[in-house]
Amino acid sequence: DTGVSQNPRHKITKRGQNVTFRCDPISEHNRLYWYRQTLGQGPEFLTYFQNEAQLEKSRLLSDRFSAERPKGSFSTLEIQRTEQGDSAMYLCASAKTDSSGYTFGSGTRLTVV
Amino acid sequence: DAKTTQPTSMDCAEGRAANLPCNHSTISGNEYVYWYRQIHSQGPQYIIHGLKNNETNEMASLIITEDRKSSTLILPHATLRDTAVYYCIVRVWNNAGNMLTFGGGTRLMVKP
Repeated sequence: DTGVSQNPRHKITKRGQNVTFRCDPISEHNRLYWYRQTLGQGPEFLTYFQNEAQLEKSRLLSDRFSAERPKGSFSTLEIQRTEQGDSAMYLCASAKTDSSGYTFGSGTRLTVV
Repeated sequence: DAKTTQPTSMDCAEGRAANLPCNHSTISGNEYVYWYRQIHSQGPQYIIHGLKNNETNEMASLIITEDRKSSTLILPHATLRDTAVYYCIVRVWNNAGNMLTFGGGTRLMVKP
C-alpha cells in the first residue's frame, strides 16, 4: 500500500462548472477526512466518514459541496457551480480508529477561473 | 480543543538542532499534543504526539512542560529537507471523529 492517493493532482475549471475529486485511503483505515487549504493558511476541516457513514460536516461545507464514501473505501468530493473562492488545495486523510495520527494524501489543487 | 500559539517563522542552520515552541495554556487534562509538518506542495505529515511525558521517535523529540501549558518540538540535526511549516495541535483522544484543528503553524527555514 502506497498511502493515501488523491486524483487529480491539479484541476483547472471555469466558474460555474462542477468538479469531482477522488480519494483512495489506506485500505485498512476506516476513517476518512476531507480538508481544504488556502494559500498561507493551515488546513481547515470539511467532513469526516467512519466507514460509509458521514458523521460530521463543517459549516464550511456549503450546499454546493457533497461528499460520499459509498462502500467505505474510496471517497469523492463534488463541488457544484464552482466559484473563484473555491480555489484551494483539497486534502484527504485516513486513519484507523483510535490511531495516533492521520495519513494525508498530496491533495488536489483546484483553480477556478 | 485548546488553541495553540506558535511563532510565525523561524530559521535554523543546517546540522544544528531546531527547537520549535508551542504554547497551549488552556490545555485540558485529556488533551494530547500533536505535531505535524507540511513540506511545500505536500499534505501534512505526522511527526509525534504526547500527553505529559517527553517522547522521542526517529524524527523528533517532544518536550512537554510539567504544567503542560507549553511544549517544544526538537529536530536534533536539521537538514535542508526539514524546511516546512510545523503545526502544533492539541486535541482530545476519543472515538468521535478525532478531527485535527490546524492553526497557522511555524514556517521553519533551514539554511546551509
